[in-house]
Amino acid sequence: AAGVIQSPRHLIKEKRETATLKCYPIPRHDTVYWYQQGPGQDPQFLISFYEKMQSDKGSIPDRFSAQQFSDYHSELNMSSLELGDSALYFCASSVGDPRKGYTFGSGTRLTVV
Amino acid sequence: DAKTTQPTSMDCAEGRAANLPCNHSTISGNEYVYWYRQIHSQGPQYIIHGLKNNETNEMASLIITEDRKSSTLILPHATLRDTAVYYCIVRVSFNAGGTSYGKLTFGQGTILTVHP
Repeated sequence: AAGVIQSPRHLIKEKRETATLKCYPIPRHDTVYWYQQGPGQDPQFLISFYEKMQSDKGSIPDRFSAQQFSDYHSELNMSSLELGDSALYFCASSVGDPRKGYTFGSGTRLTVV
Repeated sequence: DAKTTQPTSMDCAEGRAANLPCNHSTISGNEYVYWYRQIHSQGPQYIIHGLKNNETNEMASLIITEDRKSSTLILPHATLRDTAVYYCIVRVSFNAGGTSYGKLTFGQGTILTVHP
């Protein structure tokens, strides 16, 4: 079965650089969620999109932005990277019905040096 | 979303049942109980969810108390590959105005270690 695809799997950036993470949801899933997980931390919700519109917002820094495109894939753009942005970034997708569990991707490991 | 309380860690012998408790005393009538697990550095994996009835699937069983203030996840025959962090999450489960309320809020989960 198709899963949630995230790219790249690993990314190394220097401070003050920008990074773009991509997420391709399961086909026919219309909702995408982004999470950040720092070392030894629990996943923290960043932002979500439903039918290409932002549906909820969590603790996402102003330096980050995201969008969902017409094909439902999503991109998380991160600018002015800081050392503290080093983390695993997970994307998850679901159908619009939140009574159903949703599926996470394998994540992108971002390292800022 | 309601807050949950789980033990920080638990041990289980391989082949035995693992029973993971969760308290959610402030749960609302429209909130489901979800269980996810995360094996080291992998994406969280959905296990099971329920509203008020007990549920069972190929991975686990979920027992919810009648007052819905607590629940137990049961892995009937734990294996070494079940070693993971297990998260109990309560979550609003309806759409309002066409906007998804699907956000999951992860709290401190239970580190389950299955040993030989």
